[in-house]
Amino acid sequence: RKEVEQDPGPFNVPEGATVAFNCTYSNSASQSFFWYRQDCRKEPKLLMSVYSSGNEDGRFTAQLNRASQYISLLIRDSKLSDSATYLCVVNGMDSSYKLIFGSGTRLLVRP
Amino acid sequence: NAGVTQTPKFQVLKTGQSMTLQCAQDMNHEYMSWYRQDPGMGLRLIHYSVGAGITDQGEVPNGYNVSRSTTEDFPLRLLSAAPSQTSVYFCASSFVGGGYTFGSGTRLTVV
Repeated sequence: RKEVEQDPGPFNVPEGATVAFNCTYSNSASQSFFWYRQDCRKEPKLLMSVYSSGNEDGRFTAQLNRASQYISLLIRDSKLSDSATYLCVVNGMDSSYKLIFGSGTRLLVRP
Repeated sequence: NAGVTQTPKFQVLKTGQSMTLQCAQDMNHEYMSWYRQDPGMGLRLIHYSVGAGITDQGEVPNGYNVSRSTTEDFPLRLLSAAPSQTSVYFCASSFVGGGYTFGSGTRLTVV
């Protein structure tokens, strides 16, 4: 089993739609959780950290379910500019430094 | 702050040549790492460092060397380039438990 698993997509949605991505992780001791965004041929950029109580940043909401070892990202009112690959990230088993990146979920927002 | 700076941005090598990819950060981060990303694939960890003088291997270290003589710099050396090393290389840095900041990448082609 991979340490971090994501549905690769693509998710193809119209502008204005709400879309949700899920991610599962294997290390029950993980403490750090993030969502990154990666545009084509660019470096990954931190979108938001994920906190135990859930957190929101504008149109983006992240949730963490430790019991199920599951992280989600909800995007409301999708914009064309949201088209990108979204990476789920969790710290590794052997270190709080090492982050394990999922392979990403691709989102395409159409006009 | 410049963040994480990688040079060069593009490089073409002949099989068997060696070269060094440079990475520098000005955020006083303890942790630095190198990833490679092949087309349509996820990030794979090559080497990482938790501080000056300390380095360790990631999941795909063969054919690469690193050193960390200062907190700021973490160069990646290709010993004898092979076509299989054609990829995009990203350097990243962080504080412990924090999200990574990535450089803009080096696009390497080995012919």
